[in-house]
Amino acid sequence: SQTIHQWPATLVQPVGSPLSLECTVEGTSNPNLYWYRQAAGRGLQLLFYSVGIGQISSEVPQNLSASRPQDRQFILSSKKLLLSDSGFYLCAWSVSQETQYFGPGTRLLVL
Amino acid sequence: GQQLNQSPQSMFIQEGEDVSMNCTSSSIFNTWLWYKQDPGEGPVLLIALYKAGELTSNGRLTAQFGITRKDSFLNISASIPSDVGIYFCAGHTGNQFYFGTGTSLTVIP
Repeated sequence: SQTIHQWPATLVQPVGSPLSLECTVEGTSNPNLYWYRQAAGRGLQLLFYSVGIGQISSEVPQNLSASRPQDRQFILSSKKLLLSDSGFYLCAWSVSQETQYFGPGTRLLVL
Repeated sequence: GQQLNQSPQSMFIQEGEDVSMNCTSSSIFNTWLWYKQDPGEGPVLLIALYKAGELTSNGRLTAQFGITRKDSFLNISASIPSDVGIYFCAGHTGNQFYFGTGTSLTVIP
């Protein structure tokens, strides 16, 4: 069966520090991968999606970037965090573009 | 991006009551999905709908894909305390999934 992992689960970072959040999927090949940000328990905002290795589409101009170095690995990064980057970050995957499954999320607090 | 209008925004119901929530869109979707999210966790898929008019059940949950492909509803029958959480609808078209703003459900024992 397929599983999706995200780490870390929680992160507290100072403003201006770098960020790296990791997402990996097991049990499937060639998944579409997605990064979302969720504020205040509502409103999932799509940040990036990827249909293959090295292929990244950005939906919202911002302080973040994404990379897909391997088929089942998706990384969300920032060179310098802002206070407004705080939130709950969710990774998701889909195959055949019909159904999407989410990871457990990473809670990021920028101080 | 495309917006889904999800209603109601929140519901407070007595245990044992039935619940109904819906999503509408100005655009046509190929797939409708319903998720439940508990605090601090990722959304969990409840029901997936792939055809216009499709009616699908998962235990006490029933969801329908609207005939116009622009709407969907989710019903929960005989609510129990563990139904508490935020329910999201999502529609799929192209490469992307678009999400509703969520319905917060509180069940009073």
